[in-house]
Amino acid sequence: GAVVSQHPSRVICKSGTSVKIECRSLDFQATTMFWYRQFPKKSLMLMATSNEGSKATYEQGVEKDKFLINHASLTLSTLTVTSAHPEDSSFYICSPQVQGSYEQYFGPGTRLTVT
Amino acid sequence: GNSVTQMEGPVTLSEEAFLTINCTYTATGYPSLFWYVQYPGEGLQLLLKATKADDKGSNKGFEATYRKETTSFHLEKGSVQVSDSAVYFCALSDQGGGFKTIFGAGTRLFVKA
Repeated sequence: GAVVSQHPSRVICKSGTSVKIECRSLDFQATTMFWYRQFPKKSLMLMATSNEGSKATYEQGVEKDKFLINHASLTLSTLTVTSAHPEDSSFYICSPQVQGSYEQYFGPGTRLTVT
Repeated sequence: GNSVTQMEGPVTLSEEAFLTINCTYTATGYPSLFWYVQYPGEGLQLLLKATKADDKGSNKGFEATYRKETTSFHLEKGSVQVSDSAVYFCALSDQGGGFKTIFGAGTRLFVKA
């Protein structure tokens, strides 16, 4: 099956700092990347969709200047949470997808805690 | 727009009990349907899927049938185990939605020994 890695798995940072989360598809090429956010005991909320080499499309209510997404290659996408605040504490999950496929693969997630 | 509605939890069952978690969907096209499972402290895992009407997805004793007439995809298992305790998410994806996966709210299952 498809292998997706995320790094780091857990990160604690102070308010005002920025945190970068990497997502890699290890054995396939992902033309599309979805980034989700999951609050405790809640469902996954789609934050943005990016296609390789293009700007990301953000869902309503998601600040594009706060959550910077880069999808520079078919195997790597990054999410940078800029000027993090405690309310940004959450579980962030990437989901790479092969073009035209119904099935998404999910990374193991990154738990961000902002103090 | 597309949406998924699943029964609220938590659901608490004794070991070997029968499990049903209801899921209904709304979609403009012909979606594929999925059940994902999230064990405590872990990421999402695909449990089973069905890509067209009347398909039955099955895995690890769980099964769900794609019912177009009732727009449903209920998850069932005949005899649950303590190790099945997790959160279960019903989801759909279709071309009309840009292949984005839309998730239900999730149903937490507790299985007691």
